[in-house]
Amino acid sequence: AQTVTQSQPEMSVQEAETVTLSCTYDTSESDYYLFWYKQPPSRQMILVIRQEAYKQQNATENRFSVNFQKAAKSFSLKISDSQLGDAAMYFCAYRSYNSGGYQKVTFGIGTKLQVIP
Amino acid sequence: KAGVTQTPRYLIKTRGQQVTLSCSPISGHRSVSWYQQTPGQGLQFLFEYFSETQRNKGNFPGRFSGRQFSNSRSEMNVSTLELGDSALYLCASSSRGLAAEETQYFGPGTRLLVL
Repeated sequence: AQTVTQSQPEMSVQEAETVTLSCTYDTSESDYYLFWYKQPPSRQMILVIRQEAYKQQNATENRFSVNFQKAAKSFSLKISDSQLGDAAMYFCAYRSYNSGGYQKVTFGIGTKLQVIP
Repeated sequence: KAGVTQTPRYLIKTRGQQVTLSCSPISGHRSVSWYQQTPGQGLQFLFEYFSETQRNKGNFPGRFSGRQFSNSRSEMNVSTLELGDSALYLCASSSRGLAAEETQYFGPGTRLLVL
């Protein structure tokens, strides 16, 4: 079974600084997708960034980028120029499909990010 | 397009009761997934429906069930509620749900408190 581990329950960062959230996972599959989701205090979960396991190039979305190390099964999220609106819970997620077409999805427990003005 | 909507937003029930939660996906989306979110366990996958068929199910007891209607709206039912069922229940929709890379759009959730 796949597992996703977020070892940092809480993180804080000064506004305009850079912070990295860590995520490790365990799988025996070679084809899968990794996601970072953001859940602000209003509770609406939104997708931040996505990484396909077969792509070596790290995904980037504006101020958000990932460091994907497939061999190490590591998928960290870097937030540059942190803004107050970045304060939220961040979830790392693993998704794949088996041969029967059934989705397998596993979320980490989340990291609460605080942005200090 | 309107986003994913969930009703009700808050519920208080007592042990032994049953509850039904509703989720309306984004127009045109055929896949609806349900998740249970608790502080200690994070998000746990309950099940996914696509075109009125349950395609996948997580490791939850049979007290948790769901269904999907022809208009893609989905309901989740929990029977014989237990204190441990207190959680935020999230649903998420995607257009096809057939590919792992599909972006899921989440609703605001239904907060269930079991007393």
